[in-house]
Amino acid sequence: QKEVEQNSGPLSVPEGAIASLNCTYSDRGSQSFFWYRQYSGKSPELIMFIYSNGDKEDGRFTAQLNKASQYVSLLIRDSQPSDSATYLCAVDSGTYKYIFGTGTRLKVLA
Amino acid sequence: ETGVTQTPRHLVMGMTNKKSLKCEQHLGHNAMYWYKQSAKKPLELMFVYSLEERVENNSVPSRFSPECPNSSHLFLHLHTLQPEDSALYLCASSLGGANTGELFFGEGSRLTVL
Repeated sequence: QKEVEQNSGPLSVPEGAIASLNCTYSDRGSQSFFWYRQYSGKSPELIMFIYSNGDKEDGRFTAQLNKASQYVSLLIRDSQPSDSATYLCAVDSGTYKYIFGTGTRLKVLA
Repeated sequence: ETGVTQTPRHLVMGMTNKKSLKCEQHLGHNAMYWYKQSAKKPLELMFVYSLEERVENNSVPSRFSPECPNSSHLFLHLHTLQPEDSALYLCASSLGGANTGELFFGEGSRLTVL
């Protein structure tokens, strides 16, 4: 059974701090990695995607990928209360197949 | 309209009812998906269509019946559901093909089965 593991949280960080969200996956063949943000009562929206080992930065967000360790992370710098949401990690496991984690709930405290 | 739209947003049905969920995408994508989201569980892939052909069916009970009349529309027909089928049903689309790309989700249909 191919899986994606995330700590369910909640992860609480003060406003302005760095939030670090982590994800491990079991399928060594996965090539594409995604982070989605889901506000309560809303649908998931894409935050970042990463295909290559290393870091990818987009504004306050940085995705980090280590395929050898099967580990993906998302860093949110200068966290804002509006970042409070559930963050879903997803990896591809073949064409049209995305495996999602259960999500980490982030709370940014004002 | 843009993106992926789903109707209805909320649905309450009895176990003997028949209803349908509708999804429409305006992104020119070739692949459309139905996912089920239950509390404290990861998103579960139910069905995938690529260019109107079903390419994935994840051992979903026959009381859920998908229909994809064209690459822009996707339906999920529901009949004789069970209370444990109560969940958020999310439709999504993607480019499709070898580089499937990211998923674009609709707002979801919240289903309650009494």
